[in-house]
Amino acid sequence: DIQMTQSPSSLSASVGDRVTITCRASQSISSYLNWYQQKPGKAPKLLMYGASSLQSGVPSRFSGSGSGTDFTLTISSLQPEDFAAYYCQQSYSTPPTFGPGTKVDIK
Amino acid sequence: EVQLVESGGGLVQPGGSLRLSCAASGFTFSTSEMNWVRQAPGKGLEWVSYISSSGSNIYYADSVKGRFTISRDNAKNSLYLQMNSLRAEDTAVYYCAREGFFGSGSFPSDAFDIWGQGTVVTVSS
Repeated sequence: DIQMTQSPSSLSASVGDRVTITCRASQSISSYLNWYQQKPGKAPKLLMYGASSLQSGVPSRFSGSGSGTDFTLTISSLQPEDFAAYYCQQSYSTPPTFGPGTKVDIK
Repeated sequence: EVQLVESGGGLVQPGGSLRLSCAASGFTFSTSEMNWVRQAPGKGLEWVSYISSSGSNIYYADSVKGRFTISRDNAKNSLYLQMNSLRAEDTAVYYCAREGFFGSGSFPSDAFDIWGQGTVVTVSS
């Protein structure tokens, strides 16, 4: 199975801050990397697919980059509704695997 | 409205069984590939099982293989997860999720693009 890691595991930031979350795969996954946002008590929501494509309806302050084994999710200007947990997930091979998550909370 | 609604969760003793259901609406279920994903309390997301649109291809996580069975009824727009020999470590919120495909070509991207609200399974004596 492909192992996914994320850093940091948590971060504190202020509204307006630029935030970057890193995801690393244990082997090359090309661009088969997705990002999800999850708020407490809610289902995950797809933000990005194919490493850098924005899902319909997701604000443009979210962006993704990377290929191979190293990926990043960037929020250009953090908004109050962005405080949540973020998970990366590889769809390169079965089983699909998720990173352990990054919790973004208010500084 | 595009929607997935899970049901069937509850409290069950170790060794017991439960059957989860997921009702789909607002999209063409019969051509959609579907999954179950779970989340233990305070933990991350874990993929559980996959079923192709026709039901001919099925995969399971090693942690549930031989105990869980995924199935679907396209006439009823419904997905199921039969869970037997339940263990304490199966305690989680169980989500059904559609696998969406993006882009053209031989190798499109795929991701879990539609999620249900989840149903809680608690395995405890």
